[in-house]
Amino acid sequence: DIQMTQSPSTLSASVGDRVTITCRASQSLSTWLAWYQQKPGKAPQLLIFKASSLESGVPSRFSGSGSGTEFTLTISSLQPDDFATYYCQQYNTYPSTFGQGTKLEI
Amino acid sequence: EVKLVESGGDLVQPGGSLRLSCSASGFTFNTYSLHWVRQAPGKGLEYVSGISINGGRTYYADSVKDRFVISRDNSKNTLYLQMSSLRADDTALYYCVKDRGGYGGWDSWGQGTQVTVSS
Repeated sequence: DIQMTQSPSTLSASVGDRVTITCRASQSLSTWLAWYQQKPGKAPQLLIFKASSLESGVPSRFSGSGSGTEFTLTISSLQPDDFATYYCQQYNTYPSTFGQGTKLEI
Repeated sequence: EVKLVESGGDLVQPGGSLRLSCSASGFTFNTYSLHWVRQAPGKGLEYVSGISINGGRTYYADSVKDRFVISRDNSKNTLYLQMSSLRADDTALYYCVKDRGGYGGWDSWGQGTQVTVSS
């Protein structure tokens, strides 16, 4: 199975900050990677698919980049609603696998 | 509006069985792949199983292979997960998830059904 490693595990930031989360894959994914946001007690929500495509309705401050084995999720200017846990997911090869998550906190 | 409603979660003893269901509405059910993802208390997301549009292809995490069986009934707009030989580490909230198709990503998630395996 493809292993997904996110860093950092926890990220402390402030409103207005620009933050970047990294996801590394144990083998090449091309661009078959998605990012999700999860808030406590809620189901995950799709933010980015195919590494850099913004899901409909997701604010443009979210962006994704990368290909192969290294990917990033960037939030250009943190808003209060963005404090949550973020997961990357590969769907290049089944079984699909998720990163361990990055908790973004104040 | 896409709606995915899971049911069937329960408290079950180790070694027991359970069948989860996911009732779907708001989209053309037989044109999307579907998946189960679980989340243990305080932990991250773990892929469990997936099924193609017509059920011809199924996928499983190594941790559940040979114990869980995924299926779908396109006439009833319902996804299933038959779970057997349950273990304590199967305890989790189980989400039903719709694949967005095309370039991928999973765009709709249910609210989950809780499975607890304990004596």
